[in-house]
Amino acid sequence: KNEVEQSPQNLTAQEGEFITINCSYSVGISALHWLQQHPGGGIVSLFMLSSGKKKHGRLIATINIQEKHSSLHITASHPRDSAVYICAVTYGGSQGNLIFGKGTKLSVKP
Amino acid sequence: EPEVTQTPSHQVTQMGQEVILRCVPISNHLYFYWYRQILGQKVEFLVSFYNNEISEKSEIFDDQFSVERPDGSNFTLKIRSTKLEDSAMYFCASSRTPGNTIYFGEGSWLTVV
Repeated sequence: KNEVEQSPQNLTAQEGEFITINCSYSVGISALHWLQQHPGGGIVSLFMLSSGKKKHGRLIATINIQEKHSSLHITASHPRDSAVYICAVTYGGSQGNLIFGKGTKLSVKP
Repeated sequence: EPEVTQTPSHQVTQMGQEVILRCVPISNHLYFYWYRQILGQKVEFLVSFYNNEISEKSEIFDDQFSVERPDGSNFTLKIRSTKLEDSAMYFCASSRTPGNTIYFGEGSWLTVV
């Protein structure tokens, strides 16, 4: 059974800081998703990746398949980045059967 | 930007009643999903739906639950004989293919009293 672990659970940063959120999983996957959950509850997909690295604006996601580990980086953090960041994985043949981590609650102070 | 829309945003229902949560997926998407998140817990997969049938479901998705695509645009989740423990945020999502980005709706918060 695949387990998804995220660290840290909670993170407080000052505006402008570089932030890293980590995700590890226990068995082979077909894809890893990084999601952002707003305080109101809505979920937005940030990245889907199966290898290497992706960048969108100030967000960077990396994955190391051999180590079963992924990181989400936020450069020049801003209070509007405050949200819960969730890592989720799918494994071979699955259609939308995401296994979710518990999330990392990020608070960026001005 | 196209989005997944869900209604209602919040519903309160008496225990034992039936509830239908509605979703309009993105129009050119072919795969549809329901997830739930009990307050304070992680999101959980319920079911995926493709070509008018369930393609995958979790252990949570028992006979109390059903999904339907009654027309070309709506995708519904029906919960029969609701229980207190069904109180949760229910997310609908869709994707063009299984390997593409999954787009989530804003969620429907269900409170069973």
